Amino acid sequence: QKEVEQNSGPLSVPEGAIASLNCTYSDRGSQSFFWYRQYSGKSPELIMSIYSNGDKEDGRFTAQLNKASQYVSLLIRDSQPSDSATYLCAVQGSGTYKYIFGTGTRLKVLA
Amino acid sequence: DADVTQTPRNRITKTGKRIMLECSQTKGHDRMYWYRQDPGLGLRLIYYSFDVKDINKGEISDGYSVSRQAQAKFSLSLESAIPNQTALYFCATSEANNSPLHFGNGTRLTVT
Repeated sequence: QKEVEQNSGPLSVPEGAIASLNCTYSDRGSQSFFWYRQYSGKSPELIMSIYSNGDKEDGRFTAQLNKASQYVSLLIRDSQPSDSATYLCAVQGSGTYKYIFGTGTRLKVLA
Repeated sequence: DADVTQTPRNRITKTGKRIMLECSQTKGHDRMYWYRQDPGLGLRLIYYSFDVKDINKGEISDGYSVSRQAQAKFSLSLESAIPNQTALYFCATSEANNSPLHFGNGTRLTVT
């Protein structure tokens, strides 16, 4: 089992729809969770950090964390073609330097 | 306005050559990291440093070395480049434990 798992996609959604991206992790002691967006050939950009169970909203983005079920998700409302990118989930365990990245989900927003 | 700057952006080199990738940051973060990214394998940690006198190996350090010249500068060297080191390399910084990583623009390295 991979430490951080994401469906590679592509996930295709029509413009204006909600895109739902999921990530599961294996280390139950993980404390910090991050979502990054990466355009092809570019560097990962931080979208959101989440540390507590529940939802965290920032503009069109909502991160959801469920530590009991060991998953974190990212919802993108009113998806735009410019949201087409690969979305990386990263998890940091308790008291560790290590950030574990999933391999990313490729999102395609269709105009 | 790049807070984390990597040079060069692209580099093509031959097998056996020694090369250096440089990273500098203006974020004032103590923690700096080097990652490589390969298709299907995600981001993998090569080395990390929590201050000038603290250098640590990551999961794939063989064939690489680093130098932390100052709080703001962290360089990655490939001792003797080989084709399977062809990848996208990223430098990153973080403020503290549990803080997010902030990435530089990356260096695309090709070893022929």
